[in-house]
Amino acid sequence: DQQVKQNSPSLSVQEGRISILNCDYTNSMFDYFLWYKKYPAEGPTFLISISSIKDKNEDGRFTVFLNKSAKHLSLHIVPSQPGDSAVYFCAASNSGNTPLVFGKGTRLSVIA
Amino acid sequence: KAGVTQTPRYLIKTRGQQVTLSCSPISGHRSVSWYQQTPGQGLQFLFEYFSETQRNKGNFPGRFSGRQFSNSRSEMNVSTLELGDSALYLCASSLVASPAGNEAFFGQGTRLTVV
Repeated sequence: DQQVKQNSPSLSVQEGRISILNCDYTNSMFDYFLWYKKYPAEGPTFLISISSIKDKNEDGRFTVFLNKSAKHLSLHIVPSQPGDSAVYFCAASNSGNTPLVFGKGTRLSVIA
Repeated sequence: KAGVTQTPRYLIKTRGQQVTLSCSPISGHRSVSWYQQTPGQGLQFLFEYFSETQRNKGNFPGRFSGRQFSNSRSEMNVSTLELGDSALYLCASSLVASPAGNEAFFGQGTRLTVV
């Protein structure tokens, strides 16, 4: 039973355009959500997070949106750059009481 | 400040053998979590240790085990290796147990190949 789902295994976007990565979750106890970025041969690095008390969090070119009623979150990257090409993982937890639960990842390719 | 160090980086083992992977967390971090990453499966949680005690365990068979030492370094062991155990094994360290997000720092991982 997959509690965090990233239904798009890959996404290709033109440089300068918007990248939108989606994530759905099933466990209503999740109240903290994160995005990690992973380059080949490196461990995942934290990108941005959002608490369930918010519906939007912004950090530079990265914005995460949370729709609790739909149990859906998305990561927007504007503008997309070739260096953003990586695998992006969505993760969720329950107030830090449980380990992070990750999705399967979406491979983003930004084409110059 | 040194990051999370995992050794070895790469490992090739034969079916039926056992393997031990090591993780040295960031200095001062007391929590270590282990994840398995396989193609198409994302990061699957193995176990978490905090102050030498296992706090959480994922849905993996008993062949997978781990421990944490008094200096917070952690090891995980896989016995009777199977081809399906081939994966990237990632370790994450944090100051507190069951970290929420940016408090967790990952190592580069150990790539295990079982032949």
